[in-house]
Amino acid sequence: AQTVTQSQPEMSVQEAETVTLSCTYDTSENNYYLFWYKQPPSRQMILVIRQEAYKQQNATENRFSVNFQKAAKSFSLKISDSQLGDTAMYFCAFTTSYNNNDMRFGAGTRLTVKP
Amino acid sequence: NAGVTQTPKFRILKIGQSMTLQCTQDMNHNYMYWYRQDPGMGLKLIYYSVGAGITDKGEVPNGYNVSRSTTEDFPLRLELAAPSQTSVYFCASTQQGAPIFDSNQPQHFGDGTRLSIL
Repeated sequence: AQTVTQSQPEMSVQEAETVTLSCTYDTSENNYYLFWYKQPPSRQMILVIRQEAYKQQNATENRFSVNFQKAAKSFSLKISDSQLGDTAMYFCAFTTSYNNNDMRFGAGTRLTVKP
Repeated sequence: NAGVTQTPKFRILKIGQSMTLQCTQDMNHNYMYWYRQDPGMGLKLIYYSVGAGITDKGEVPNGYNVSRSTTEDFPLRLELAAPSQTSVYFCASTQQGAPIFDSNQPQHFGDGTRLSIL
């Protein structure tokens, strides 16, 4: 069974600083995909970044980047130059390549960006 | 551009009652999903559909039923409501199936339905 663990229920960061959110996962599969989603108070789920397991290069999307360690099954999200609008719940998610409609989510990390 | 529309936004049910959560999308997406989100937890997939007439179970399907008679609509039915089904329910759709969830083909979510079973 695939599981996703986010060990930080809450985190805070000062505006313009950098913060890293942790995520680990467990799977016996070799081909899979990892995602970070943002859920602001509006409750909409917004895709932040995704990573294909077969790619060694870490994904980046503007101020967001990941540190993907396949052997350690770790997938952390780094947010640089944090902005007040980054305040939200962040969910790490996983899906396999053979049943890629069944996405598994972690419990989430509540991030607060302080002015 | 409505996107994914869920109704109702809030509902309180008594144990044993039944109801249908409505979900419709106007983007002509083939793939649709139902998730539940319990307090302090991530989303769990209940059911999904890869096109009209095709549905499949997700991680937590027990106590729910779905149908997909049209591309636009994907209702979720609770037949005998139980307190364990108290949750926030999200419907989502996407043009292509996972893992094509990139910034150009994201998964579109509705605003959610907050359901309480008392």
